[in-house]
Amino acid sequence: QVQLQESGPGLVKPSGTLSLTCAVSGGSISSSNWWSWVRQPPGKGLAWIGEIYHSGSTNYNPSLKSRVTISVDKSKNQFSLILSSVTAADTAVYYCARGGSAASFDFWGQGTLVTVSS
Amino acid sequence: EIVLTQSPGTLSLSPGERATLSCRASQSVSSSYLAWYQQKPGQAPRLLIYGASSRATGIPDRFSGSGSGTDFTLTISRLEPEDFAVYYCQQYGSPPMYTFGQGTKLEIK
Repeated sequence: QVQLQESGPGLVKPSGTLSLTCAVSGGSISSSNWWSWVRQPPGKGLAWIGEIYHSGSTNYNPSLKSRVTISVDKSKNQFSLILSSVTAADTAVYYCARGGSAASFDFWGQGTLVTVSS
Repeated sequence: EIVLTQSPGTLSLSPGERATLSCRASQSVSSSYLAWYQQKPGQAPRLLIYGASSRATGIPDRFSGSGSGTDFTLTISRLEPEDFAVYYCQQYGSPPMYTFGQGTKLEIK
């Protein structure tokens, strides 16, 4: 059973940089899957941020593309998210997820709340 | 960008009843790339249906998905107490981009 676990600071200052890591266990990040970040502002819906393949290929949500970088570390079986120039609007629960059949997300991390505040 | 609109926003039903949730797309969606999720408070979403009609591993057969083009439906044949949650549809399109509907809250009547 694949498991994903997000980690990183829960509080980031406005104009700062949000940095999260997703550790993958029970499976290899070098499998034939894409790996994504999805976020959910408090009380709101889900929004896709971007994805990465183990080769390093990435796709990003155009609305965030200028501020997002996703990277992979195959030696540690993990991938990471960097979001720059954050504002209060970036406050959300951030999930990492595995791309599954037919472009669905079949395994999810438990999520981590990141608050942007001074 | 394809926008997914879910209806109703809130659905109030009793255990044992049938639930029908709708997801309408602003443009045609490949049926291969339409999924449904269930989310309970404080939990991550759980994949229910992928490819518009295929149940994910371990999902009970009271959950079924159907539809094509711009109109998709999630049906729960007989509601169990644990089915009361928020449900999201999700699509994948070109350029590589995933979008979610705004969700339908299924609450106990």
